[in-house]
Amino acid sequence: GAVVSQHPSRVICKSGTSVKIECRSLDFQATTMFWYRQFPKQSLMLMATSNEGSKATYEQGVEKDKFLINHASLTLSTLTVTSAHPEDSSFYICSATQNMQFFGPGTRLTVL
Amino acid sequence: AQTVTQSQPEMSVQEAETVTLSCTYDTSESDYYLFWYKQPPSRQMILVIRQEAYKQQNATENRFSVNFQKAAKSFSLKISDSQLGDAAMYFCAYRSPQTSGSRLTFGEGTQLTVNP
Repeated sequence: GAVVSQHPSRVICKSGTSVKIECRSLDFQATTMFWYRQFPKQSLMLMATSNEGSKATYEQGVEKDKFLINHASLTLSTLTVTSAHPEDSSFYICSATQNMQFFGPGTRLTVL
Repeated sequence: AQTVTQSQPEMSVQEAETVTLSCTYDTSESDYYLFWYKQPPSRQMILVIRQEAYKQQNATENRFSVNFQKAAKSFSLKISDSQLGDAAMYFCAYRSPQTSGSRLTFGEGTQLTVNP
């Protein structure tokens, strides 16, 4: 089956710094990738839809200047959390589509 | 907009027994897709089963089957012969075929505990 990787799997950073999370489709090309945020014991909340070669579409309430998304190729999308604060601490999941969505293993971000 | 509701935040089942997880959804579309995903403690999302709305036959995958009631907008998941490895958070999800990039709408999730 289709495999999606995320890197890093876990990151701890200081408040005010920026963190980049990579999402890669390893064995297929994905024109569309999605970024989700998940708090403990809650559902996945869609943050943005990332299309290769174009600007990401952000969900209502998601700050596009804080969560920068770049989809530079058909196999790579990146999410950069800029000037991270403790409230940005969460589990971030990406998915890539090839007729259906395949999910990455997630990245746990902790902001001190 | 479509909504997905899972009314059971937690469920438990004895090993080898059968359990049914509920899911209802709201949509004005006639054609769509429904999914059940499993999220174990590793937090990797795993597709359990999918159903196309135009198909009347309920989908099955080994010990997992669904009861799809289109008129009632209900999509329950039945797990037979429950195993310890089935313990996880289960999410019901809806996908519109008209949405570019196959965007999913998730329910709130049901935490399933399997007791030995």
